[in-house]
Amino acid sequence: AQSVTQLDSQVPVFEEAPVELRCNYSSSVSVYLFWYVQYPNQGLQLLLKYLSGSTLVKGINGFEAEFNKSQTSFHLRKPSVHISDTAEYFCAVTGGYQKVTFGTGTKLQVIP
Amino acid sequence: EAGVAQSPRYKIIEKRQSVAFWCNPISGHATLYWYQQILGQGPKLLIQFQNNGVVDDSQLPKDRFSAERLKGVDSTLKIQPAKLEDSAVYLCASSPVVLSRGEKLFFGSGTQLSVL
Repeated sequence: AQSVTQLDSQVPVFEEAPVELRCNYSSSVSVYLFWYVQYPNQGLQLLLKYLSGSTLVKGINGFEAEFNKSQTSFHLRKPSVHISDTAEYFCAVTGGYQKVTFGTGTKLQVIP
Repeated sequence: EAGVAQSPRYKIIEKRQSVAFWCNPISGHATLYWYQQILGQGPKLLIQFQNNGVVDDSQLPKDRFSAERLKGVDSTLKIQPAKLEDSAVYLCASSPVVLSRGEKLFFGSGTQLSVL
């Protein structure tokens, strides 16, 4: 079985400030990890993914995430957010075949 | 490249009525998924197809939900009869690779269902 926990349902942050969105996972097998973003009235789109190799993964729009196996975490970060980053962010895990399990999401609200 | 197409965009029905959603995945994508996203929750997998065969439908409420994927391309998801708790956004996604982890999912914009 696999699961994803996103502890923060909402994260308000001022424009140009840094942000970290937290994600913890559990799985009985090795995992692949993903962050998806959902803009209002749109479908989810992939921000970045970790498959293997370097634990620091860079994605689109200046986002990056770090895989920490000992802490079973995959936190998402951006050093300076923009208004256009206002969206909901979902962490997801694949532990077997292509079954993808999503977290409950974190709404990022960027304040001008 | 055309994306995943879903219709209708919105649907409002009364409880106990029937409803159907349609999905056209990206051309050539072998895997198709239907997710249910209830307000305030993450997407929950309802059913996963590999070509026209079902890989996982363990979370599909089979007493009222059904899905099919004709000829391994388009798919329809049906609810009959609908309940109030079925109000959600129904997302269709597709992926190009057969039974391989690590591939990203391509999502449609979803169908927002309101059951009154």
